[in-house]
Amino acid sequence: DTAVSQTPKYLVTQMGNDKSIKCEQNLGHDTMYWYKQDSKKFLKIMFSYNNKELIINETVPNRFSPKSPDKAHLNLHINSLELGDSAVYFCASSQDGTGLATDTQYFGPGTRLTVL
Amino acid sequence: SQQGEEDPQALSIQEGENATMNCSYKTSINNLQWYRQNSGRGLVHLILIRSNEREKHSGRLRVTLDTSKKSSSLLITASRAADTASYFCATDTPSGSRLTFGEGTQLTVNP
Repeated sequence: DTAVSQTPKYLVTQMGNDKSIKCEQNLGHDTMYWYKQDSKKFLKIMFSYNNKELIINETVPNRFSPKSPDKAHLNLHINSLELGDSAVYFCASSQDGTGLATDTQYFGPGTRLTVL
Repeated sequence: SQQGEEDPQALSIQEGENATMNCSYKTSINNLQWYRQNSGRGLVHLILIRSNEREKHSGRLRVTLDTSKKSSSLLITASRAADTASYFCATDTPSGSRLTFGEGTQLTVNP
């Protein structure tokens, strides 16, 4: 069984479009994250949610809006896509019920977003 | 600014050799973690070492932590071609609210 799943795996779209990436974890974890990995493999946190509440919101354009309908899901919606948004986006989860990042994080397989 | 920096950026060795990767960080930490990323895949947790620990082992992995030098090393012994991947260190902040990842070391193990 897949622990952290993301859909779609690949997303190719035109500049200016709006797109969503879905993430689900079946580990019963309390905290979920979105990371962005650029072409140089640098991984940077974007958001984290603990029990559906926003904990971390890094300096990310407000075109990016996370939504957590329940603690097993954290979706990422991106408006008005730009060329610079092209990257691999990873969802992750951890058991930590306090929202602190001291626990092991479990990553999804990633979504490769290409903006043309 | 980025918390972790890894050295070397790339490492190429022969199967059976040992591989050592280093990570330096800037601020105090609660713990340091190492992750592996195979090409086109997500990150997989390898080992976590707490700030009050100096060394930890897991199978062929040995991690050391020197908080006075703000550095850690990951040693993979008797490497295999399947160990080919990128390896990242990750540190939490003093408040523990997030993990900050290093730039990673690309390890290539040649059969």
